Amino acid sequence: QQQVKQSPQSLIVQKGGISIINCAYENTAFDYFPWYQQFPGKGPALLIAIRPDVSEKKEGRFTISFNKSAKQFSLHIMDSQPGDSATYFCAASSGETSGSRLTFGEGTQLTVNP
Amino acid sequence: GAVVSQHPSWVICKSGTSVKIECRSLDFQATTMFWYRQFPKQSLMLMATSNEGSKATYEQGVEKDKFLINHASLTLSTLTVTSAHPEDSSFYICSAIVSGYSTDTQYFGPGTRLTVL
Repeated sequence: QQQVKQSPQSLIVQKGGISIINCAYENTAFDYFPWYQQFPGKGPALLIAIRPDVSEKKEGRFTISFNKSAKQFSLHIMDSQPGDSATYFCAASSGETSGSRLTFGEGTQLTVNP
Repeated sequence: GAVVSQHPSWVICKSGTSVKIECRSLDFQATTMFWYRQFPKQSLMLMATSNEGSKATYEQGVEKDKFLINHASLTLSTLTVTSAHPEDSSFYICSAIVSGYSTDTQYFGPGTRLTVL
């Protein structure tokens, strides 16, 4: 299975709140899990990425939690701001065995209300 | 950081014409580039993997004769949509991997909006 399932499809959060987006995968060969942020009419920008050897990675207000046994990973945005309003995509790759091809989730449209 | 540019940022063409989109890595060499298309409110769909000096590898269902990809140098890949039709209207995005570094991290270009009338 190459799919990566992402939820929710859309999310509305108040300013200062925590935004949580979840992804699940089936392919146990996946070993690289990035999150991308995309604004309308722009290309995706790499936010943060994790490998299965750690359970959590934090960069500023963004944290990835990774559960290898459950084959799930999530993005947490702390102190969400209106400027964070964008579409977020999780992705997965099995590195060179897949030619570095990324499998993307369906995307989550995040709206942060002021 | 690694910067990828695309040109043009948007293009409008008549049905039946061909359109070329350029993808450049500005501050690094990229042996591998990827081409995606994205429909409104949908995820990115990988079209093909482009390796410098060799033929592109197309994903299942992507017409290689319609979407011509050329990766002539370590900093430039081009996508030509031949005999474009309205159903080819989409947002085309390229990405690149920095040669010699992590083979996983893809840096994306800003995208090209193609509208076929």
